[in-house]
Amino acid sequence: EDQVTQSPEALRLQEGESSSLNCSYTVSGLRGLFWYRQDPGKGPEFLFTLYSAGEEKEKERLKATLTKKESFLHITAPKPEDSATYLCAVPLPRELTGGGNKLTFGTGTQLKVEL
Amino acid sequence: GAGVSQSPSNKVTEKGKDVELRCDPISGHTALYWYRQSLGQGLEFLIYFQGNSAPDKSGLPSDRFSAERTGGSVSTLTIQRTQQEDSAVYLCASSLGLWFDEQFFGPGTRLTVL
Repeated sequence: EDQVTQSPEALRLQEGESSSLNCSYTVSGLRGLFWYRQDPGKGPEFLFTLYSAGEEKEKERLKATLTKKESFLHITAPKPEDSATYLCAVPLPRELTGGGNKLTFGTGTQLKVEL
Repeated sequence: GAGVSQSPSNKVTEKGKDVELRCDPISGHTALYWYRQSLGQGLEFLIYFQGNSAPDKSGLPSDRFSAERTGGSVSTLTIQRTQQEDSAVYLCASSLGLWFDEQFFGPGTRLTVL
């Protein structure tokens, strides 16, 4: 069974203090990974799809990277508005889904960026 | 519509009552998913609809839970004889229905069972 583990559970940064969030997984064959952001009281908001090891994606202050066993979400010079819970998710093998995306989510990293 | 909508946003019910939660997916999205998010837990897959295919119900925690999707669009998740452990945020997502496409989530329904 796929398992997705995120660390740290919570992270407090000062504005401008760069850091990285980790998502590690045990899956039967890498199938890529999704990153989402979730604000309190809202549904997850899609950030990135990473399809294969070595791939990188960037959006504003965020950069996601992927290896065969883990993914990192790097946050450069964060601002208070980056405060949120960041979730990663791994899809089941295609042959088990009938065509759709049945995701296994990690429990998230709660990020707080302070002035 | 512009995004996935869910109603109600909050639902408080008494133990033993039935509840219905509604999801309106993004127009044109053939895949629809229901997840449950409990405090301190990750999102838990419940059920998935893809076009006219039989739904994947493998994540439903008990036979008190059921869902339907009418006309390939709106979906209703029904919980019968609610229990306190059913208290959670129920999230709906939709996607184009491809294997590796991104899912777009609604704001969720917060269910509290007293």
